[in-house]
Amino acid sequence: GDSVTQTEGLVTLTEGLPVMLNCTYQTIYSNPFLFWYVQHLNESPRLLLKSFTDNKRTEHQGFHATLHKSSSSFHLQKSSAQLSDSALYYCALSLNSNNRIFFGDGTQLVVKP
Amino acid sequence: EAAVTQSPRSKVAVTGGKVTLSCHQTNNHDYMYWYRQDTGHGLRLIHYSYVADSTEKGDIPDGYKASRPSQENFSLILELASLSQTAVYFCASSGGENYAEQFFGPGTRLTVL
Repeated sequence: GDSVTQTEGLVTLTEGLPVMLNCTYQTIYSNPFLFWYVQHLNESPRLLLKSFTDNKRTEHQGFHATLHKSSSSFHLQKSSAQLSDSALYYCALSLNSNNRIFFGDGTQLVVKP
Repeated sequence: EAAVTQSPRSKVAVTGGKVTLSCHQTNNHDYMYWYRQDTGHGLRLIHYSYVADSTEKGDIPDGYKASRPSQENFSLILELASLSQTAVYFCASSGGENYAEQFFGPGTRLTVL
């Protein structure tokens, strides 16, 4: 079935270091939408960035991701982590068929001074 | 700005009691969703709806009912609340120009004792 895998449950790193959160997906649909949602403590999830174009880099608020259909991946990256980046990050997949989104289990990012 | 509101924001219920969580959106979106969030399980879809007077089962519908009396309103009903239903519940909506992007409400923290 359709699904999203985020391999890291928790990522801890030092401020200023690069961030990479992994996301792979599984679907037979050839034109999926991929999303990254971010949820800060005691807040609701909100969209960070999205893409449906193969091999095109998408950027927002210092984060970027590229959809690679060949490897079914949509990894989230940032060149330099900030303390305020500490949050729960969800990768998500939509098949563009009924607006339903499949969420991964989430990766908790903790950035330390 | 998209607007999804939920009521109540928090609730304490007794085991075996009936609980109704309400969601209201002013986005003119066709799609609405109910998720629950538990530590370690991320966001799990309970019920969703494409149109008023129609609901669909999500991934974990057992023990929950949903009602969509109008485009703007979507309720989640726990007929016989159980301890295992203690969680944070999020409502979301999607549709319109931002196709497949979901806008989340602030969440309801439900504690069943």
